[in-house]
Amino acid sequence: EDQVTQSPEALRLQEGESSSLNCSYTVSGLRGLFWYRQDPGKGPEFLFTLYSAGEEKEKERLKATLTKKESFLHITAPKPEDSATYLCAARSGYSTLTFGKGTMLLVSP
Amino acid sequence: DTGVSQDPRHKITKRGQNVTFRCDPISEHNRLYWYRQTLGQGPEFLTYFQNEAQLEKSRLLSDRFSAERPKGSFSTLEIQRTEQGDSAMYLCASSTNASWGQFFGPGTRLTVL
Repeated sequence: EDQVTQSPEALRLQEGESSSLNCSYTVSGLRGLFWYRQDPGKGPEFLFTLYSAGEEKEKERLKATLTKKESFLHITAPKPEDSATYLCAARSGYSTLTFGKGTMLLVSP
Repeated sequence: DTGVSQDPRHKITKRGQNVTFRCDPISEHNRLYWYRQTLGQGPEFLTYFQNEAQLEKSRLLSDRFSAERPKGSFSTLEIQRTEQGDSAMYLCASSTNASWGQFFGPGTRLTVL
């Protein structure tokens, strides 16, 4: 059974304090590792897809990286508007995503 | 707005009643997915359509749940004889093919009293 574990469950940062979120996955034949951002009461917002170990993608203050067992979401010099829950999901088949529970990020001014 | 839309956004019902939710995907997306999300958890897969064909269903989808996508465009998710444990956010997502990210709608928040 596919499993995705995210850590930490919650993270509090000061504005400008860089950090990383972790996503460990156990899937049979990874066909994509996805990162989403979710604001309270809203649907997840797509951020990145990574397909192979060593791949990196960037968007503004966010950079996602992938190894054979885990993915990291690096947040550089975060701002309060980066506060959200960040979800990681793995796809092993051709359709469904298996999500982790998410990391709730709070960035204080 | 060309994103995924869902209706209603909120639904409060009494235990035992039937409810139906609607999802309109992004117009050129042929794949449509339903997920359920409870507080503090990530979304859990329920079912998936490619065009009008329902190709996969989760074990979570009991026989009280049924989903349709009759013309390969919008989809409906019906829950019969609702139970308090059905209270959750029901999310719809769509994609062009398996290689692309799934784009989610705003969700329907169901509360069963």
